[in-house]
Amino acid sequence: GAGVSQSPSNKVTEKGKDVELRCDPISGHTALYWYRQSLGQGLEFLIYFQGNSAPDKSGLPSDRFSAERTGGSVSTLTIQRTQQEDSAVYLCASSPNARGTQYFGPGTRLLVL
Amino acid sequence: QKEVEQDPGPLSVPEGAIVSLNCTYSNSAFQYFMWYRQYSRKGPELLMYTYSSGNKEDGRFTAQVDKSSKYISLFIRDSQPSDSATYLCAMSGGQGGSEKLVFGKGTKLTVNP
Repeated sequence: GAGVSQSPSNKVTEKGKDVELRCDPISGHTALYWYRQSLGQGLEFLIYFQGNSAPDKSGLPSDRFSAERTGGSVSTLTIQRTQQEDSAVYLCASSPNARGTQYFGPGTRLLVL
Repeated sequence: QKEVEQDPGPLSVPEGAIVSLNCTYSNSAFQYFMWYRQYSRKGPELLMYTYSSGNKEDGRFTAQVDKSSKYISLFIRDSQPSDSATYLCAMSGGQGGSEKLVFGKGTKLTVNP
């Protein structure tokens, strides 16, 4: 079956622009997670969705970062006024439930110039 | 001190060698322990999943968890060139909530033919 998909696979933007990253989870998975992977910091949690609600946003690094999920399916991570330190790979994972195995997508590689 | 510590390597071994990878952690609330494998420019894929202390074996892979020492290990027997990847340990707590994963920084492994 189809796995987690993310788009775009690569994004180059200029400092100060807004970007939107999309995640399509595995069908039927109620839990969805966003992580960020950067060279110096490794893989870090950003936000968790259960259905359309986000009970854990503790990993969002600043108020420039926001995310939403609609229809219990697709999720969008938005970064406003991008900075160079936002350059990283943004990974999405979905799970059948809150404690199930997390299946990762291929990631979106974001480069802020 | 980071919650999860993992030696980044790199680690280079000849084909057929036994590989030992490990992580230490500081949060005694962690109850679920995982090893993910990540190939270059791909998302992480789950290799092993262990609950609490003990050993788990799957083919050439063995995962060990020692909660008293806050130490987890992954052993790869008869290593193959196809095992060349970055190995990430990950763990989560059992208090309900998001079950977000906390990752080590990953160990890059190269198996030479």
